[in-house]
Amino acid sequence: DIQMTQSPSSLSASVGDRVTITCRASLGISNYLAWFQQKPGKAPKSLIYGASSLQSGVPSKFSGSGSGTDFTLTISSLQPEDFATYYCQQYNSYPFTFGPGTKVDV
Amino acid sequence: QVQLVQSGAEVKKPGASVKVSCQASGYTFTSYSMHWVRQAPGQGLEWMGIITPSGGSTSYAEKFQGRLTVTRDTSTSTVYMELSSLRFEDTAVYYCARGESGSWYSNLDYWGQGILVTVSS
Repeated sequence: DIQMTQSPSSLSASVGDRVTITCRASLGISNYLAWFQQKPGKAPKSLIYGASSLQSGVPSKFSGSGSGTDFTLTISSLQPEDFATYYCQQYNSYPFTFGPGTKVDV
Repeated sequence: QVQLVQSGAEVKKPGASVKVSCQASGYTFTSYSMHWVRQAPGQGLEWMGIITPSGGSTSYAEKFQGRLTVTRDTSTSTVYMELSSLRFEDTAVYYCARGESGSWYSNLDYWGQGILVTVSS
C-alpha cells in the first residue's frame, strides 16, 4: 500500500495568514493526488484533484502543486471558514490511501 | 445537483452485520463509480471499497476482504454497503463518495452525509 504522510499534523494560524501543508507519498503517484477539507461533524469536501486542479466552486485562495511523491496545499489568505482539518489522498493505486490530516486552528 | 443521501444511524452488537445505503440523484448513476470511506471517532479517513455501477465490479481494501460486500441497484440509483462480523473497532461514520469519472482511478468529488454505525454490546 502507498503510505501518505502530512506535515505539520497541526498548525495555529491567524486570519489573513498564508498557510502551506505538505503531503508526501511513499511511492510515486504522478499527479493522482486530491485534497479534502473537513469540518467537525461534516463530510469531507473536495478541494483539489489532479494535484493542482481546483474543484468546481472552490475559491481560488486554495491551490495545489506537486507531482511524483511531494505535494503541497496552499491557502493564500486564511479566513474564519477555513479553520478545519485537511487531508491528502492518493488515487493512483488501490487501496486508495489518505494522509493522517492537518488540523488548522486559531 | 448531485446528491448522495445515506440511510440512518445503526446500532449493532458484536458479530452482527450492518447494511447501509446511499441513494444517488442528479446525475447518470451508471456513469460514475461509488466508493465507501469510513472514519472512526476522532480518527482519519479510511478507504474501504469501490463499485462500478455500470457492471457492478468491486474492489475492496484487503483488511475488509471477506467481511465487506458492496452492491448496487441501478433501478433505484442506490449503492449498498454490508459489513459483517462487526467488532467494536468498526464503530465509525461510514461515507459513500462518488468517483469523479467512470474510471477506476478518479477523485472523490461528492460525498454523502455519513452514517454513524455503533457496535456495542
